[in-house]
Amino acid sequence: EAGVAQSPRYKIIEKRQSVAFWCNPISGHATLYWYQQILGQGPKLLIQFQNNGVVDDSQLPKDRFSAERLKGVDSTLKIQPAKLEDSAVYLCASSLAGAQPQHFGDGTRLSIL
Amino acid sequence: KNEVEQSPQNLTAQEGEFITINCSYSVGISALHWLQQHPGGGIVSLFMLSSGKKKHGRLIATINIQEKHSSLHITASHPRDSAVYICAVRCRTSYDKVIFGPGTSLSVIP
Repeated sequence: EAGVAQSPRYKIIEKRQSVAFWCNPISGHATLYWYQQILGQGPKLLIQFQNNGVVDDSQLPKDRFSAERLKGVDSTLKIQPAKLEDSAVYLCASSLAGAQPQHFGDGTRLSIL
Repeated sequence: KNEVEQSPQNLTAQEGEFITINCSYSVGISALHWLQQHPGGGIVSLFMLSSGKKKHGRLIATINIQEKHSSLHITASHPRDSAVYICAVRCRTSYDKVIFGPGTSLSVIP
């Protein structure tokens, strides 16, 4: 079984630029999560999708962050414009359903200069 | 106060030592997860438990629902156990919200 795929693996941009991350969950997994993990902290949920609908985006900074999951499969997370404090690892995870264990991708490490 | 707390924050142990990492939470949960994160970011699920105790190899996880507390034990620790161990709780919400603890960074020295 293929795992959760994320790209790119690393990204370096200057502040005020835009960036997008891509996630391909495990086939058949209905629930998809985007997390932000700042160095030394645990992951913080940004957005949770159930199929292509959003079930929780309460901690997503909507003035600069957006995410979509068209057709209920792949997902993209975008930051526009980026700020220095957005430097973090962005993790994507998926699960069969909300109550099932999550499977994590390797993450995208974002550095803002 | 964070909804999920872990102690200690950092831990250094000698190879072979018995290790305990603690997790306490303040919300109602349906399950608790212990996760392992190696340098480079990949997260692996170790245990999911809602009561009692689970064992896998040298790892043991326990949970006390009444006290809202869980422990992860590592017996005969080895340098390859060096990683960040994260406790996460699945809340009793309509969409099974997961809240992560801050993690415990473990270094096992040969």
